[in-house]
Amino acid sequence: DTAVSQTPKYLVTQMGNDKSIKCEQNLGHDTMYWYKQDSKKFLKIMFSYNNKELIINETVPNRFSPKSPDKAHLNLHINSLELGDSAVYFCASSLGGSPYNEQFFGPGTRLTVL
Amino acid sequence: AQKITQTQPGMFVQEKEAVTLDCTYDTSDPSYGLFWYKQPSSGEMIFLIYQGSYDQQNATEGRYSLNFQKARKSANLVISASQLGDSAMYFCAMREASYGGSQGNLIFGKGTKLSVKP
Repeated sequence: DTAVSQTPKYLVTQMGNDKSIKCEQNLGHDTMYWYKQDSKKFLKIMFSYNNKELIINETVPNRFSPKSPDKAHLNLHINSLELGDSAVYFCASSLGGSPYNEQFFGPGTRLTVL
Repeated sequence: AQKITQTQPGMFVQEKEAVTLDCTYDTSDPSYGLFWYKQPSSGEMIFLIYQGSYDQQNATEGRYSLNFQKARKSANLVISASQLGDSAMYFCAMREASYGGSQGNLIFGKGTKLSVKP
């Protein structure tokens, strides 16, 4: 009965490859997010998305693209992986974009690019 | 300017004692939420406590309480009766109602690593 799940938990790949990380939430939330946690533990928003609008953080390279087949899923696709993409990626969800609703996080995906 | 500032990169506390983790924030939005998350060494992000900008009383959740001082723009987390399992990274975060159409994404501080000593 996991609320927000991500697969895989660990991902090791070579530079230049394309990879995807899947995220699913069973909370009935309408807004989902992707965050990146760097090696210094700093968490930063990459995307926020509901069924109407995608907001992209302007610092995110266009090699990263979110794909949402339905309201419960927001997958992250990464093209031409680079060494600097190594990080932990967290998916999260919330009910709307209200500042008064907490966000629930997935367990994270540790991506290592060799 | 940083929107969320956590000035304590690391802290130690003796088991069973109380500890305060500092957080200050910067916003001009009258509507915002303040959150604390715990990240143990296993890596998951665990929601601890929330305070809304219009809440009159400080939030409490079990051993966690949030010392909200709106005029000073601070939202310190107080953990009472520390336990060994409280050793973790703690992140303060804010959601604003109208920040650039962000749909309310969280803005995080850099975190405080808390170590509880037996």
